[in-house]
Amino acid sequence: DVKVTQSSRYLVKRTGEKVFLECVQDMDHENMFWYRQDPGLGLRLIYFSYDVKMKEKGDIPEGYSVSREKKERFSLILESASTNQTSMYLCASSFRQGAQYFGPGTRLTVL
Amino acid sequence: AQSVSQHNHHVILSEAASLELGCNYSYGGTVNLFWYVQYPGQHLQLLLKYFSGDPLVKGIKGFEAEFIKSKFSFNLRKPSVQWSDTAEYFCAVKNGNKLVFGAGTILRVKS
Repeated sequence: DVKVTQSSRYLVKRTGEKVFLECVQDMDHENMFWYRQDPGLGLRLIYFSYDVKMKEKGDIPEGYSVSREKKERFSLILESASTNQTSMYLCASSFRQGAQYFGPGTRLTVL
Repeated sequence: AQSVSQHNHHVILSEAASLELGCNYSYGGTVNLFWYVQYPGQHLQLLLKYFSGDPLVKGIKGFEAEFIKSKFSFNLRKPSVQWSDTAEYFCAVKNGNKLVFGAGTILRVKS
C-alpha cells in the first residue's frame, strides 16, 4: 500500500509567519506534488518535483516555494503567510507515468 | 492550457438511484484520465483510471467510466448508489507529469 504522510492535519499560523509543510512518501516515487484545495475550485497545482533537487512551478506558485533534498520528502514553504493562503494543502506522489496517490491533507488557517 | 469541466457541483440522489457525473476535458491529444473520490474526513483516493484500450473502465466500489474520444468526455457512472457513496468526486486529466482537476462534484445520497 502506498503511504503518503503529511506532518500536520491542522495548523494555525499568523500573518507574516514562515510556514513549513512536510510530506513523506514510502514508495520510492520519482514525482511529488503540492496542491491546494478550495471549495468550488477543485485542486490547483502549486509546485511539483520529478527528481531530487528538481522543481517546477504549477499553476499557482506565487507566495510559495518548495524543497526536495531527499527522494521521499517534499516540503512546501510559505515564506510570509497571508490570509488568502488559508486552505487545505494536499501532497501527492507518483511513479513517472502512473496515478497519483494523495496524503491526508493539512488544513492551514492563517489569522 | 488544458481544462476539465464537471457539469454539476452538487448532486442529491436517493439510495438505489443511478448515478452519472459528467466530465469533459479540453485536450485533443492522447489523454490519461482519472476519477478520484474524497469521502468526508478522508483523503483523496483513486476510483479508476483510463490510459488506453477498452474505453469502458471499471473501478472500485461498482463505479465505471466511459471514455468517448469524439465527445472529449469521461463520465462516471454507478447503476445503484448507496448512502456510503456520499463524497466529493473529482475528474482529472494528465498533462505530462501533472494532473489537471475539475472543480469537483459533491454527491449526497439520501437514505
